[in-house]
Amino acid sequence: SSELTQPPSVSVSPGQTASITCSGDELGDLYASWYQLRPGQSPVLIIYQDRKRPSGIPERFSGSSSGNTATLTISGTQATDEADYYCQAWGSSTSYVFGTGTKVTVL
Amino acid sequence: EVQLVESGGGLVQPGRSLRLSCAASGFNFDDYAMHWVRQVPGKGLEWVSGISWSSTALGYADSVKGRFTISRDNAKNSLYLQMSSLRSEDMALYFCAKDRGAVAGGWGFDLWGQGTLVTVSS
Repeated sequence: SSELTQPPSVSVSPGQTASITCSGDELGDLYASWYQLRPGQSPVLIIYQDRKRPSGIPERFSGSSSGNTATLTISGTQATDEADYYCQAWGSSTSYVFGTGTKVTVL
Repeated sequence: EVQLVESGGGLVQPGRSLRLSCAASGFNFDDYAMHWVRQVPGKGLEWVSGISWSSTALGYADSVKGRFTISRDNAKNSLYLQMSSLRSEDMALYFCAKDRGAVAGGWGFDLWGQGTLVTVSS
């Protein structure tokens, strides 16, 4: 099955930009979604189809994709953005796969 | 209110079975595919299983294939996960999640329940 690799952690200062990558051999042919997961809460969809934002998600969250890498960018990072972030794609054999997860720390 | 509410988790011995349920409300349940996703405490998310709106397309992670069965009852706005031959590695928080599409296709999961905890231990 497919694997999606993310950096374990990303640190960012308030107001700065954080970028999280998601790499996988099949990503070039697939849409990526991104989820935010805060401790004790349920995941929240923040990006779908590589770059689309659900209603209610702040504009500072954006997504892009190039080749086998999808990227989540948080612009003007706020303290409330401190959370774990997971990418996701629909892989082969009609199955889904989540990335390894990235912990974003706002210093 | 638009929500998903899971139930059925608990303590179960290895090798035994358990059935999880997910009650949906506030949206047209039979228009969307549904999924189960789990998270071992302190670990990452793992997709477990998914089912299309009409139940004609089912999918399972390799780790549960042959042991877990997903189903849905559109008349009751409910999703189920029958888990058998449970192992210690199945111990996790199980989330029910709504797909943005009617069938699998990488559209994203836009509504999640609060999760139900499954503990596998003798």
